[in-house]
Amino acid sequence: DADVTQTPRNRITKTGKRIMLECSQTKGHDRMYWYRQDPGLGLRLIYYSFDVKDINKGEISDGYSVSRQAQAKFSLSLESAIPNQTALYFCATSDFQDRGLAGINEQFFGPGTRLTVL
Amino acid sequence: QKEVEQNSGPLSVPEGAIASLNCTYSDRGSQSFFWYRQYSGKSPELIMSIYSNGDKEDGRFTAQLNKASQYVSLLIRDSQPSDSATYLCAVGMDSSYKLIFGSGTRLLVRP
Repeated sequence: DADVTQTPRNRITKTGKRIMLECSQTKGHDRMYWYRQDPGLGLRLIYYSFDVKDINKGEISDGYSVSRQAQAKFSLSLESAIPNQTALYFCATSDFQDRGLAGINEQFFGPGTRLTVL
Repeated sequence: QKEVEQNSGPLSVPEGAIASLNCTYSDRGSQSFFWYRQYSGKSPELIMSIYSNGDKEDGRFTAQLNKASQYVSLLIRDSQPSDSATYLCAVGMDSSYKLIFGSGTRLLVRP
């Protein structure tokens, strides 16, 4: 079974609808992230959570909200979807390892959700 | 604005050649550096991480880091058509250890 799973894998919806994307992980990692990817723009961070009680905005959080229901679950919601939120959405996890000056933050990605807003 | 820059490519190399991918970053305080491979429509896959100046080798892949010049590179030896993908450079910024991603370089390996 995959370590990081995302549901749904594909979703087509209409403008104004509320959408929830879900992410689950069995890696035992504390840190979870939501990114979106648009052609030519790379991966951009939407929200991140370092534990269940710690949620932080990323560079493009407007129009999105998140919920960290448990260590293993992190959901992304679009309260009122708009067409420019059409993108590929990825969840990622990491297990911070402190190695002195060189802290490691290797992130592992789920398979992604392709979201289309009409 | 903290940035990570990559040439979008495509970088085209013949099978068996060495592919050299480069990345520059703006934040001198960056402490961790990563290369991800992403096939079209798939998720990024971590292939290399590096934290100290110099080279790090793993199989056909070598990551090179030069903090003074603020660049990190990835060499792929004996390139195969299956290496054709987009390669994303990611840099760990400041104490929060979030990653900033470059927009990726598309590599094409010609049979």
